[in-house]
Amino acid sequence: QKEVEQNSGPLSVPEGAIASLNCTYSDRGSQSFFWYRQYSGKSPELIMSIYSNGDKEDGRFTAQLNKASQYVSLLIRDSQPSDSATYLCAVNRGDKIIFGKGTRLHILP
Amino acid sequence: EAQVTQNPRYLITVTGKKLTVTCSQNMNHEYMSWYRQDPGLGLRQIYYSMNVEVTDKGDVPEGYKVSRKEKRNFPLILESPSPNQTSLYFCASSEGGDTQYFGPGTRLTVL
Repeated sequence: QKEVEQNSGPLSVPEGAIASLNCTYSDRGSQSFFWYRQYSGKSPELIMSIYSNGDKEDGRFTAQLNKASQYVSLLIRDSQPSDSATYLCAVNRGDKIIFGKGTRLHILP
Repeated sequence: EAQVTQNPRYLITVTGKKLTVTCSQNMNHEYMSWYRQDPGLGLRQIYYSMNVEVTDKGDVPEGYKVSRKEKRNFPLILESPSPNQTSLYFCASSEGGDTQYFGPGTRLTVL
């Protein structure tokens, strides 16, 4: 089992709709979780971090964490064309940060 | 402005010619790391450093060297580059190894 798994996509979502991105992780001892956005050829930039079970909202973004299910998700409300990018899930395993391979999101105008 | 800088941004070189990619951060972060990113393989950690003079191997350290003589700098050295090291490289820093702040990336081509 891969340490951090994401569906590679592409995930196509109409403009204005909700985009839902999912991530599972294998190490139950992981304590902190991150979502990064990466535009093609650019560096990853942090969108959200989440440390405890439940939801965390920041503007149009909501991160959801379920440690029992080892599952992290990112919801993007009112999707915009500028949200088209690759979204990387990252997990702090304690000794290192492990990144998923990313999900490509395409917002359809 | 808080930032991580890398140089050069683009580099084309030939097999066996030693090269260094520099990385510098101005956030006084203790933790720094190097990643490479390849299509279909995602971000993979090469080396990391938890403080000055403390470095450790990541997932793909073969063919690379690093040093951490100062807190702000963490250069990546390829002693004898090979074509399979053609990749996009990112340096990152963080406070305590948590949220990573990435540099702009270095696109390396080894012929």
